[in-house]
Amino acid sequence: GQQVKQSSPSLTVQEGGISILNCDYENDMFDYFAWYKKYPDNSPTLLISVRSNVDKREDGRLTVFLNKSGKHFSLHITASQPEDTAVYLCAAGRQQGTGSKLSFGKGAKLTVSP
Amino acid sequence: DSGVVQSPRHIIKEKGGRSVLTCIPISGHSNVVWYQQTLGKELKFLIQHYEKVERDKGFLPSRFSVQQFDDYHSEMNMSALELEDSAMYFCASSLALGYLSYEQYFGPGTRLTVL
Repeated sequence: GQQVKQSSPSLTVQEGGISILNCDYENDMFDYFAWYKKYPDNSPTLLISVRSNVDKREDGRLTVFLNKSGKHFSLHITASQPEDTAVYLCAAGRQQGTGSKLSFGKGAKLTVSP
Repeated sequence: DSGVVQSPRHIIKEKGGRSVLTCIPISGHSNVVWYQQTLGKELKFLIQHYEKVERDKGFLPSRFSVQQFDDYHSEMNMSALELEDSAMYFCASSLALGYLSYEQYFGPGTRLTVL
């Protein structure tokens, strides 16, 4: 089954507002959590990530919150702009053998309206 | 441009045909992962190589084979193509060291259409 789930496939936010995207995971072995941004017909771009030993990481308008006990992480985008309109993919990673593996959610479409 | 390079960008093949997709990772990246994405679906993990060795295999059909070469570029050989193989194929590369291996950078993708 799908190990990483984005339950809300779409979200619309007014310009200047806060966008909150959510992701739930199942595997306790995940120790890396990331958000990717994807425009139509483009490839995913890594936005921000956090390791399992921290609960929060900020980078400009982006903040990732990690709730390990709830197996949940989220991306908050403050002062949302129309150019933030895109599909956002969450990903969780775990060590596997001598390497690592990412599992992706299906994505959530964020629309920021002017 | 020092990003991941994929070729071709678009390709159309007939059912039963063959195709080769190429991925050139970012310089210094020895970890290469292939994903498939069909319309409206999540990225599906196909296979991962690093240091020229297959490390993990996911949903890669037996009709497909992937190889990583000495310069770390990767090729996916696809045979007996089926209609359901129509999809975007992304490769991603990363360093192969601990947490850095998680930070995958994606290529632009190859759109395969099987008719």
